[in-house]
Amino acid sequence: AQSVSQHNHHVILSEAASLELGCNYSYGGTVNLFWYVQYPGQHLQLLLKYFSGDPLVKGIKGFEAEFIKSKFSFNLRKPSVQWSDTAEYFCAVNTNFGNEKLTFGTGTRLTIIP
Amino acid sequence: EAQVTQNPRYLITVTGKKLTVTCSQNMNHEYMSWYRQDPGLGLRQIYYSMNVEVTDKGDVPEGYKVSRKEKRNFPLILESPSPNQTSLYFCASSLTTGGRYGYTFGSGTRLTVV
Repeated sequence: AQSVSQHNHHVILSEAASLELGCNYSYGGTVNLFWYVQYPGQHLQLLLKYFSGDPLVKGIKGFEAEFIKSKFSFNLRKPSVQWSDTAEYFCAVNTNFGNEKLTFGTGTRLTIIP
Repeated sequence: EAQVTQNPRYLITVTGKKLTVTCSQNMNHEYMSWYRQDPGLGLRQIYYSMNVEVTDKGDVPEGYKVSRKEKRNFPLILESPSPNQTSLYFCASSLTTGGRYGYTFGSGTRLTVV
């Protein structure tokens, strides 16, 4: 079965710092990839997704992610974080076309210090 | 407004007392799913439904039941809740697009079983 690894459990940054959150998946076939954000006390919201084409995808709020097939990675980046980016971030993968199932990573908690 | 509505938002119950968490979506999505979120474990799929009257187990189905009698509704039933089912539950829905759409999540139900 596929799995998703997010190695950074808790990341603490100062405002204006650059961000990169790691995501690796274990599946050798075609994948659809997603990043979701969960602000404190709220539900998950889609940040961005990749399913084909340009491996560098841009999402909402200035986030982007790069799909590197050879590394099985889909890392999330933002050049300059803001205090309002404090949230938990989840990477997810879909590998079973015809079944919409998403397999999620364990999440990375991001704390931005003003 | 397109949304997934879950009720209740918070629920405290006692061991063994049957309960139902409701989920309704207004986007005419074929696919619906239930996940539970636990610290350090991310989101794990409980059950899913590809369409009306079509349901199947996810990764952690033990102790749960679902039904899909109408396209918009997908209730989660705990026949005899136990303390290990204390968790944050999310309902999600999706178009059937081969995994490219991603999910729309409900606001979550925080369940405590004492």
